[in-house]
Amino acid sequence: GQNIDQPTEMTATEGAIVQINCTYQTSGFNGLFWYQQHAGEAPTFLSYNVLDGLEEKGRFSSFLSRSKGYSYLLLKELQMKDSASYLCAVTSLGSNYQLIWGAGTKLIIKP
Amino acid sequence: DSGVTQTPKHLITATGQRVTLRCSPRSGDLSVYWYQQSLDQGLQFLIQYYNGEERAKGNILERFSAQQFPDLHSELNLSSLELGDSALYFCASSVALTGASTDTQYFGPGTRLTVL
Repeated sequence: GQNIDQPTEMTATEGAIVQINCTYQTSGFNGLFWYQQHAGEAPTFLSYNVLDGLEEKGRFSSFLSRSKGYSYLLLKELQMKDSASYLCAVTSLGSNYQLIWGAGTKLIIKP
Repeated sequence: DSGVTQTPKHLITATGQRVTLRCSPRSGDLSVYWYQQSLDQGLQFLIQYYNGEERAKGNILERFSAQQFPDLHSELNLSSLELGDSALYFCASSVALTGASTDTQYFGPGTRLTVL
């Protein structure tokens, strides 16, 4: 079956760097998405990875290793507004291209 | 602003009642997805429509139904409401359904349903 694991909660300090991991098990991997969701608001798209390697977008970077079934989201120069949940989602042939969502990682930023 | 609109923003109703949530996708998007998110819970996929036809079903109760109209807007109907149906309901849209980057889902602001 399809499965996604993320840590439930992480805490980091303003100005620091944090890495949020996501591991997945799927057949026919076709891409991995990261979304940010502030409490009570809609998820917003952050990144999409389909090939191995690092994709950088400003303060946020996302990494993928298909052979390890592993991705991480790296947030640099943390700001208080980065306090949110970060959702990992995978699409695959095995899920008939439906997005399989992780439960999300709640990131708490402390001053 | 994602370009996806949802109405109403808030809905308060009583148990046993029926409500309809409405979603308009981004211009050009053919797929519409409905999700339920209860307090402090993850996103639960309910159903997807693609160009007017049901494409995939998730954990959608029989009391819930949806449709996508020729102009591509979609409605989610929730009937015989129970206290446990209180949640945020999100609609998302995407261009296609291939699972590629073109299938990035863009979410509307959600409808907060409270069942008393």
